Amino acid sequence: DAKTTQPPSMDCAEGRAANLPCNHSTISGNEYVYWYRQIHSQGPQYIIHGLKNNETNEMASLIITEDRKSSTLILPHATLRDTAVYYCIVSLPDSGNTPLVFGKGTRLSVIA
Amino acid sequence: DAGVTQSPTHLIKTRGQQVTLRCSPISGHKSVSWYQQVLGQGPQFIFQYYEKEERGRGNFPDRFSARQFPNYSSELNVNALLLGDSALYLCASSFTGSYGAEAFFGQGTRLTVV
Repeated sequence: DAKTTQPPSMDCAEGRAANLPCNHSTISGNEYVYWYRQIHSQGPQYIIHGLKNNETNEMASLIITEDRKSSTLILPHATLRDTAVYYCIVSLPDSGNTPLVFGKGTRLSVIA
Repeated sequence: DAGVTQSPTHLIKTRGQQVTLRCSPISGHKSVSWYQQVLGQGPQFIFQYYEKEERGRGNFPDRFSARQFPNYSSELNVNALLLGDSALYLCASSFTGSYGAEAFFGQGTRLTVV
């Protein structure tokens, strides 16, 4: 079973920041938080990951609370192309040896 | 560079038949994983292979089998197809041993069992 809890759906106005929350209260000390998204009928796409520090890349920012029991993915300026299902996953760092356990994710709808 | 490639993209089979799905990982990636995604659910782990050895298996019946070849490509076989096997089958490759490495997914094979 997935070790994360996410809201089933969220809406966001185009151009505004999308903040997607994730709870992972049972995360272990050596587990990372990964975010993937899946645009309709495509394979999941990696977005970002982190251990305990906040992370930022060209796609998004990841904010992890100090106790590591929750995190927030931030898309700073959402566009219509960001409409997708977003998955928060807790996993050991070597994805080549550890399968990803997906939940149902959050369906983000970006509205014009 | 090519990403993860899967073939075929779509497939229709009849109940009781057998199917083989194929996956070519990104060049240099030695780990391949297979996932099944039914409508409305997140992907569910089926198999993980590294260096031609099975490293993990999800909660799927023995009708599901897989293998990895010396060039790191992989096949997923499903025997005695059931209607419930209709799903999107996803392949992912990873560069094992890289700390915090992400998995790269193909576009999937959509299997319809009638």
